[in-house]
Amino acid sequence: QVQLQQSGPGLVKPSQTLSLTCAISGDSVSSNSVAWNWIRQFPSRGLEWLGRTYYRSKWNNEYDPFVRGRISINPDTSKNQFSLQLNSVTPEDTAIYSCARYNWTSGQFDFWGQGTLVTVSS
Amino acid sequence: DIQMTQSPSSLSASVGDRVTITCRASQTIIRYLNWYQQKAGKAPSLLIYTASTLQSGVPSRFSGSGSGTDFSLTITSLQPEDFATYYCQQSDSLPFTFGPGTRVDVK
Repeated sequence: QVQLQQSGPGLVKPSQTLSLTCAISGDSVSSNSVAWNWIRQFPSRGLEWLGRTYYRSKWNNEYDPFVRGRISINPDTSKNQFSLQLNSVTPEDTAIYSCARYNWTSGQFDFWGQGTLVTVSS
Repeated sequence: DIQMTQSPSSLSASVGDRVTITCRASQTIIRYLNWYQQKAGKAPSLLIYTASTLQSGVPSRFSGSGSGTDFSLTITSLQPEDFATYYCQQSDSLPFTFGPGTRVDVK
């Protein structure tokens, strides 16, 4: 059974960097048949996909255009985990952030982390 | 980006009711449509993928249909554990996008 365990601070100051980590058990961050994603959820705007990293002969990253330029998602093969960094945050980035595995065979997010409420406030 | 809409945004129903939620994409997504259930304080849980394939372990009272731009999720006999929020999500093209959700609560 795949499990995703998130860690990271729940409070970030405006203009600083939001950093979260998602530790994977039951699968490998280097797996060829899945991608590793970050998704956030706002009370009023629903769910928003942020981006993903995956390995297909080499590491690939794809990001939502809305946050491209501020976001970085990176794998850590030594710890079998991946991370999210979102720079220059504002209060509008306050949301619940979740990691999720995307199953390429069936085209769905089949396993999710527990979610982390990140509040951007001074 | 492909925009996803859902209707209704919320509904009230009783145990045993048949419930149908619709989802529409702003352009064709063939059958690359997934449905998720989310309960308060929990991550979304996959119900149906590629429009009509039931995820392993999901009760058969859940079913999905549709193709192109119009899709639906049906619960044939609502059970107490089914009161939750339901989201559709397209996996046809990046960026992946979700519908705004349909909240199902007790009448």
